[in-house]
This record gives sequence, structure tokens and C-alpha cells, in this order.
Amino acid sequence: QSVLTQPPSASGTPGQRVTISCSGSSSNIGSTSVNWYQHLPGTAPKLLIHSNDQRPSGVPDRFSGSKSGTSASLAISGLQSEDEADYYCAAWDDSLDGPVFGGGTKLTVL
Amino acid sequence: EVQLVQSGAEVKKSGESLTISCQTSGYRFISYWIGWVRLMPGKGLQCTAMIFPGDSDTRYDPSFQGQVTITADKSITTAYLQWNSLKASDTGMYYCVRRRDGAFDIWGQGTMVTVSS
Repeated sequence: QSVLTQPPSASGTPGQRVTISCSGSSSNIGSTSVNWYQHLPGTAPKLLIHSNDQRPSGVPDRFSGSKSGTSASLAISGLQSEDEADYYCAAWDDSLDGPVFGGGTKLTVL
Repeated sequence: EVQLVQSGAEVKKSGESLTISCQTSGYRFISYWIGWVRLMPGKGLQCTAMIFPGDSDTRYDPSFQGQVTITADKSITTAYLQWNSLKASDTGMYYCVRRRDGAFDIWGQGTMVTVSS
């Protein structure tokens, strides 16, 4: 059972906007920044969003992140077929003194 | 270019020992935390351990404390994850990761570890 809670699945059609939620607590999301990772099949995971809402160089601006209180969200606008992947949120947990992940959300592009 | 290049896939039996490696290049090895993240089907990602090569400070996930050992060799800028006695439950894909500004910004290609009982 993961420390951070994500829905196991999400879906959308090409061009749509989808959001993926990530719920935590005061010891993790409530007190530190959130990162998001994209895992495409057969590849290594990739940092998609860091520091709640910052995109690394090369990540399209279709991807955006936000945080409020003990929850965070990843939004993908203009959904494309190549966005079909697993998405994970992560944060530092002060109680565990280490990084924690969500269980992952499998995004399907219909 | 920053790179993390991991050792190849391993197939082992329960009770055997194993060390997997992560050779780094393109950045100052001693200045960043480096860790190992496990991916298990249906269970997502989990950070097993991290080390700061500059002073060998380590952090272990409570689930992995005592089960694995993380080390780093500054002379060859390489990190390792070691098991003394593997279990079937150690089966999974292990990714070497660099931690920068609170995020795992660089990932190795992954090392598949398969342990049969």
C-alpha cells in the first residue's frame, strides 16, 4: 500500500484534458513539494514535473502540475496517443525521512 | 551529458547473494544523492535506499532496512545495491536514480532482478 494515493486508472480521448490526483498528508505533500514521473512501457521513468509545477527542459507545456494543502494534481491538455503511460506522484515524507510515491495511475488514450 | 548506466539483468535463486551496479558520468558524483528505486508490477515505485557519496550518508526505506546495502565508490563514480540473501519477493526492476533539488531527475536504464524460490 503506497503512502500517496492515486486513482489506479484514468482515460481520455485525443485532444481532451485529463487530470490525475494525488493525495497525501501533512508529513509529505502538506510540507514538501510534489514531483511527477511518466513511465512509458519499456523505458525508464522520466521526471515530468518537479517542485509542484515546474517542467524540466523538453517537457511540453501540455503537462502542468499544482498543489493545494495535502493534495496535488497533474493535468494533461491536448491529450495525445503517446501520452499513454503510467504516471506517479512523489514527495519527501518527514516522518519516514525518505521519498514516497503514489501507487501510479495508468492513463489510457481511447 | 549526465548518464547512469546499470549492470545487466540477473537471474538468481533464493538465498544467493547479488550486487548490482550503476556507473555514473557527466556530473560531480560526490555532490548529489543517488538511490535505487524498485518497480514491481501492480505495486508501483518504491525507493529502497539512497546514499550521498560525498560523506557516505545513507537512507533506507524501513521496508528494506537490513535487507539491502547501498554503497558508493567515489574513485570510479559508481553506486551499488547489495543483497546477502535474496528472496523471491526481491524480484523486480531496479532503477538507479540521481536526486537533485528534491526530485529524481536522472534515471538509469534499469536492472531486472529475478529470484526463483
